[in-house]
Order: sequence, then C-alpha cells, then structure tokens
Amino acid sequence: KQEVTQIPAALSVPEGENLVLNCSFTDSAIYNLQWFRQDPGKGLTSLLLIQSSQREQTSGRLNASLDKSSGRSTLYIAASQPGDSATYLCAVERSDSKLTFGKGITLSVRP
Amino acid sequence: GAGVSQSPRYKVAKRGQDVALRCDPISGHVSLFWYQQALGQGPEFLTYFQNEAQLDKSGLPSDRFFAERPEGSVSTLKIQRTQQEDSAVYLCASSLLARGTPAQFFGPGTRLTVL
Repeated sequence: KQEVTQIPAALSVPEGENLVLNCSFTDSAIYNLQWFRQDPGKGLTSLLLIQSSQREQTSGRLNASLDKSSGRSTLYIAASQPGDSATYLCAVERSDSKLTFGKGITLSVRP
Repeated sequence: GAGVSQSPRYKVAKRGQDVALRCDPISGHVSLFWYQQALGQGPEFLTYFQNEAQLDKSGLPSDRFFAERPEGSVSTLKIQRTQQEDSAVYLCASSLLARGTPAQFFGPGTRLTVL
C-alpha cells in the first residue's frame, strides 16, 4: 500500500526566506506526483505536476523535484511571502488514477 | 463553468439522516473523483468515474456510501444513515481525460458535520 509522508507537519519562517518542503513515498511505481496548495476552508489548487519520467518542474518562485528511485520529492519556494501561508500537500498518482496524499505541511510566513 | 463547483458548501445533519452532496465538474471533463478529507488529514480516495461508468469504488468506507454520475456530467455522493465518523470535507475533482490526466482540478468541497 502506497504511503506518503510529509514532515514536519508545520513550519514557520520569516518573510524572504528560501525554503524546502519534503515529501516521501513508499512505492516508486507512480504515474506522476503533484504538489497542491490548500487555503483554510478551500479546495486544493494544483501547483506543479511532475510526470514519472521527469525530474523537476518550475513555475515562478516554485520548483518541484522528483527522485523516484529514492521515493522523494521536494518543493522549493524562493523568497517566501506572507501570501504563501497555506497547507501544502503532496500526492502521488498510480496508474489506476488514484491520488494518495500526504497529511500536508502547514506553512506560516511571518511578515 | 470555469471550475469545479460543489453544493452545498456546508451541511449539518443529525445522526441517522441521509445526505446528498452534488458535484458539477468542469464541462467536458471525462473523469470525476470523490475524496474524503478528515480534519488535519490529507484527502483520501473514495471513488472514480469515467463518463457515467463507476470504474473504482474501492475507497467507499461502507455500503452506506453511494455515488452516481448518470449522464456523465454531474455527480452525487449519497450517504445514508449518517454517523459522526462521516464528518469530514468531501472533495470532488475532475480531469479532462481518462486516468486523471493531465491533472485533477478540485472543487471547494462540502463540509459535512454530523451531530
């Protein structure tokens, strides 16, 4: 059974800091990996999707990497801003379309 | 519509009541997914439709949960005889093609509270 782990559960950083959010998964037979953002009381917004054949994806200040063999992904956020405060979820998709999510990392960026 | 919509956004039910949660996917999207998100947890897969066919219902926690998508667009998740452990946010997602490609787009969710 696929398990996705995100540690720590919460993180607080000062504005402007570069930061890395980690995600690990137990089964490397994945179709793709996605990073989502969730604001309180809201649904999920897809940030980046990395296909299993890819190593990384970039969008603006965000960069996500994938190492299938070691079962790890990182989300790098450059020059963090208070507006980045949210919960960040990592999810892996198997070939049967199911997404398996981690519990998320709640990020707080202090002004 | 521009995105996935869900209704109602909030639902309070007394234990034992039946509830119905609605999902309007993005127009033309083939795949539709339901997830359950308990407080402080990540979403967990419930069921998957490709057009009107329910291809996977392995995540439904009990036979009190039933989902349908009769015309391949709008979907309804029904929970019979609700229990307190059913309290959660129910998220719907859709994707353009089969197998969740290129990506799943999520609705805002329905927060169900069972008293």
